[in-house]
Amino acid sequence: DAGITQSPRHKVTETGTPVTLRCHQTENHRYMYWYRQDPGHGLRLIHYSYGVKDTDKGEVSDGYSVSRSKTEDFLLTLESATSSQTSVYFCAISEDLAGRTEAFFGQGTRLTVV
Amino acid sequence: QKEVEQNSGPLSVPEGAIASLNCTYSDRGSQSFFWYRQYSGKSPELIMFIYSNGDKEDGRFTAQLNKASQYVSLLIRDSQPSDSATYLCAVEGQGGKLIFGQGTELSVKP
Repeated sequence: DAGITQSPRHKVTETGTPVTLRCHQTENHRYMYWYRQDPGHGLRLIHYSYGVKDTDKGEVSDGYSVSRSKTEDFLLTLESATSSQTSVYFCAISEDLAGRTEAFFGQGTRLTVV
Repeated sequence: QKEVEQNSGPLSVPEGAIASLNCTYSDRGSQSFFWYRQYSGKSPELIMFIYSNGDKEDGRFTAQLNKASQYVSLLIRDSQPSDSATYLCAVEGQGGKLIFGQGTELSVKP
């Protein structure tokens, strides 16, 4: 299994509070991604990173920020949590190997905003 | 228009039949295409990738790519109840961005 760890695995938080989710990898892969998964929507890309301090927005980035100060860690912050951000969040990693970029996923974080 | 579109299903097939899953994408510059399987409550896992036009076979799975039509498909032969899951199509865009479709739920009935 690819070495990806998400923390926490479950979290309940109140509306308006900031929340940070952590993704840690031991594979030294270049690319890291944050997705959210909601019924009927598949996986929607929030932000991704293509290197240390290099990040870009995905499809649903409003209300989220990210940081990558080390290769192994990619943090997702909900600046002021809302009920619409209740979701399952997945981190993924991938590496460009001769043009192939196969992504591997963490276990997911179930976030509930009440 | 979504960048990657799939029929959401559910798709129901009898055991032993061929299941056909389809995906279209909007970015003509995309070069890499992936199929993931996700069991309920679990993380997605990669089952197939394809980069060139045509067919690619791996056991009971065949991925088909037609870049001119911007179409990717996954065929599962001799479907088994253990194949019941959600299948996600993913397309790699510029800069390593990986975009997924909404997924197709497959149910294989014994």
